[in-house]
Amino acid sequence: KAGVTQTPRYLIKTRGQQVTLSCSPISGHRSVSWYQQTPGQGLQFLFEYFSETQRNKGNFPGRFSGRQFSNSRSEMNVSTLELGDSALYLCASSLDGGMAEAFFGQGTRLTVV
Amino acid sequence: AQSVTQLGSHVSVSEGALVLLRCNYSSSVPPYLFWYVQYPNQGLQLLLKYTSAATLVKGINGFEAEFKKSETSFHLTKPSAHMSDAAEYFCAVTSTTSGTYKYIFGTGTRLKVLA
Repeated sequence: KAGVTQTPRYLIKTRGQQVTLSCSPISGHRSVSWYQQTPGQGLQFLFEYFSETQRNKGNFPGRFSGRQFSNSRSEMNVSTLELGDSALYLCASSLDGGMAEAFFGQGTRLTVV
Repeated sequence: AQSVTQLGSHVSVSEGALVLLRCNYSSSVPPYLFWYVQYPNQGLQLLLKYTSAATLVKGINGFEAEFKKSETSFHLTKPSAHMSDAAEYFCAVTSTTSGTYKYIFGTGTRLKVLA
C-alpha cells in the first residue's frame, strides 16, 4: 500500500510570493493534517481536514490555508511568504483523525529567500 | 490544555547500552500517548502508542514505553542501542477539541549512538 506522498520535496520561494504544497494520503484515509517543523518551534499543528471540511485549526495567521478534495488529497497554501515561513511542512493521514495512527509523509522543505 | 515535555534535547549512548528517553505529559483527561522517530530528511514514523489497553507498550525496533499515571510519564526505552537508532525522537499526546483530535508534540530528543 502506497504511503503518504508530498510534493514537491523541496521548494525555494521569494518573500512575498505564495506557494501551494500537495499531500496525497494513504488510500482509504479521510483525515489529513498539516504540521510545520522548524528548529526553533518544533512541530506545530496547522490544520486538519476530514471529508473536505476543516475540523481543527492551529494558531497560525490567515496566510496559511488549506483545502481537501473529494479524493482526500489535500493542498496547503501560504500567501505573502515571509522568511520565517521557511520550514519542513509535514502532512499526516489517518483513517478518521481520531485515535487511529497517523502516517506521515516525507515532507516538503520550503526555503524562503 | 494538554502538553508534553521531553527532558534532554540531546542524548548520547554507547552502542549496546540502555536507551532512555524521557517524556512527561500534562492532560486533564486520560491521554493517548505516542512516540515517533524521525530520520534525517524524512517524515515521522510511529514507534508505539498508548491507548489505555496496557501500561507497558511494546513497539517496533525493540523499543518499549511504560505509562505511569502517578508520575505523568511515558519514557521510551530500549535495552541495547544500535547505531541505526541514531535519530530524533518525538513524544506526542493527542488533544481533543470538539471531539476531534490533534497531536501535540514535544520538542524532540536527538539520540546519538557512539561506537
